[in-house]
Amino acid sequence: AQKITQTQPGMFVQEKEAVTLDCTYDTSDPSYGLFWYKQPSSGEMIFLIYQGSYDQQNATEGRYSLNFQKARKSANLVISASQLGDSAMYFCAMREPYTGNQFYFGTGTSLTVIP
Amino acid sequence: EAGVAQSPRYKIIEKRQSVAFWCNPISGHATLYWYQQILGQGPKLLIQFQNNGVVDDSQLPKDRFSAERLKGVDSTLKIQPAKLEDSAVYLCASSFGTGGSSGANVLTFGAGSRLTVL
Repeated sequence: AQKITQTQPGMFVQEKEAVTLDCTYDTSDPSYGLFWYKQPSSGEMIFLIYQGSYDQQNATEGRYSLNFQKARKSANLVISASQLGDSAMYFCAMREPYTGNQFYFGTGTSLTVIP
Repeated sequence: EAGVAQSPRYKIIEKRQSVAFWCNPISGHATLYWYQQILGQGPKLLIQFQNNGVVDDSQLPKDRFSAERLKGVDSTLKIQPAKLEDSAVYLCASSFGTGGSSGANVLTFGAGSRLTVL
């Protein structure tokens, strides 16, 4: 079974609007971490936001927030007030301590911000 | 702090030739990862080091790929002989530790090494 599932290969959003990128995960480990990375066309992976499995509140980092629904095993990324520079690939990832702390990545969502 | 350094950024080789990629992680980062990212896909873990020991190399094609991390600092990934399907970006990443649910142990990536096998 896939550890991380991103079902949206491509998304479009109007500049200044908000967009939600979906991510579901699969684990039986009670302790895990969820991460979102941005990969612009230059290729470098840029860390955006982190959510721990025991965190009570949803994580926020500037315009990024993580909608964490533990029972549904989903960790959707919300980008508010989209900017042209947000156009990139976005990857959801999970780390499980009991599998040797591997980072599992999803297949990614390509986001295009339209002016 | 200086980021994760990788070289070369680009490499073009013929199939059956060999290639080596180098990675220098962030100073003090004990854990180092090599990922393969084929165009249009997410990164796939090849090997994970903790200091100079291998934690996980279950997805490393050991008949042609090898990696080492001497002295627990920088690392080299080698492919010999290369195949057409090895064309990809090879990403190196490092983290301070391996606490699974700790936000302090975020992976920091290098810019990647893009390999084209003709």
